This record gives sequence, C-alpha cells and structure tokens, in this order.
Amino acid sequence: DARVTQTPRDKVTEMGQEVTMRCQPILGHNTVFWYRQTMMQGLELLAYFRNRAPLDDSGMPKDRFSAEMPDATLATLKIQPSEPRDSAVYFCASGLGGTADTQYFGPGTRLTVL
Amino acid sequence: QKEVEQDPGPLSVPEGAIVSLNCTYSNSAFQYFMWYRQYSRKGPELLMYTYSSGNKEDGRFTAQVDKSSKYISLFIRDSQPSDSATYLCAMSDPYSGGGADGLTFGKGTHLIIQP
Repeated sequence: DARVTQTPRDKVTEMGQEVTMRCQPILGHNTVFWYRQTMMQGLELLAYFRNRAPLDDSGMPKDRFSAEMPDATLATLKIQPSEPRDSAVYFCASGLGGTADTQYFGPGTRLTVL
Repeated sequence: QKEVEQDPGPLSVPEGAIVSLNCTYSNSAFQYFMWYRQYSRKGPELLMYTYSSGNKEDGRFTAQVDKSSKYISLFIRDSQPSDSATYLCAMSDPYSGGGADGLTFGKGTHLIIQP
C-alpha cells in the first residue's frame, strides 16, 4: 500500500530554533507539494517540486523557510529561525505531474513553537 | 474575497440524513473540481473528482458542479457516523502556472453525524 510518509509526526520547539521536516513521496510520483494548515487560513500551498526542481515557492516566507529535494525519495522543509506564528500542521503530498486527481497527502507534522 | 469560499460549520445531522456540502468560487478558469475528506489528525484524502460541469456519483456520494453559478456541491446519502470528518473542496485551472495539480482549497466544513 503506497503512501506518503512524514517525520516527525509531532514537534514542539522553542522560538528561534531550527526545525526540519521530512517527507518521502510515493515511489514513481514526480511532483511533491508542501502545504500548511491552520484554523484561520485553512490549507495553504507553500512550495512544490516537479522532477526535483522547484516550480513555485511563492507561498513560503523566504527569509526563514527553505524547501529542497536532495533526491527523488526525500523532500525537506526547514524553518530557521522558528516563530510562534509558524505553529501549524505541515503536510507533504505527492502526485503525478499535470494531473488533478493523483495528489496523495501524508499524515502531517504538527509543529508547535513556544 | 477569497477565491474559494466554504462554510466552516460545524454541520450536525442525524444518522441516515442526506448531507449537502457546498463551495462557491470566483475564478471562472477553474475546470477541475475535487472533494477531499480529512479525519482528525490525518491528511486529506481524495473523495470525488469531476471535470467541468455536471454530476458524478460514487456509492453514497454525489458531486455536482455548476460552472455558470460558480458553485459546487457534495451530497452524502444515508449518512453514517463514520462520515464525520472535515470536507474540503479543491479546484484547479489546468492552464494556470500551477497547472491541473495547482489546487486551491476551501477552508473545509466540519461535519458531525449523530448516531
């Protein structure tokens, strides 16, 4: 049963600390998305990659957030330094590029910044 | 005005009732329309997918798209307590920079089915 995996599932950290979230996309999927979900804003697209190349990161605060795909099996999202307003659930999703109905979400990383 | 509007609820109905969930949108270029279901502390999962206007049925679920009114609906028949979840609509414009998979989501409606 192919699925997107994310680590860690929960992260509690103090303001100013670096946070790294990891995602393993479904094997064979060439597009990876990072979303952030909050009660106020709902699900927001932060960045996405196709064939490991960044296509759009306009949703990300550039000064503190960075997203990379070191290889086809790993995507990372880093926040440095973290702030309390970054507290949210961060989801990774993967899919087949150009199709609307193949986007599969991971279980999310619940981040709390104190 | 946000591109996609969705009533957050909660919407509480008794078991067996017909549920109607709705979204309105402002971008007439949207052509792909989806409904995702999200259980507590889980990621969203695709429930229904339609292209352009019309109806699509899958078991107890029916998705409707009215592009002239910029309005989409999800109907759940014979609702069950296991249908209790947050339902998010999503849509995309295949000719935008984001392509067909550049989804714009509603905030989600929290649905509660009372046993």
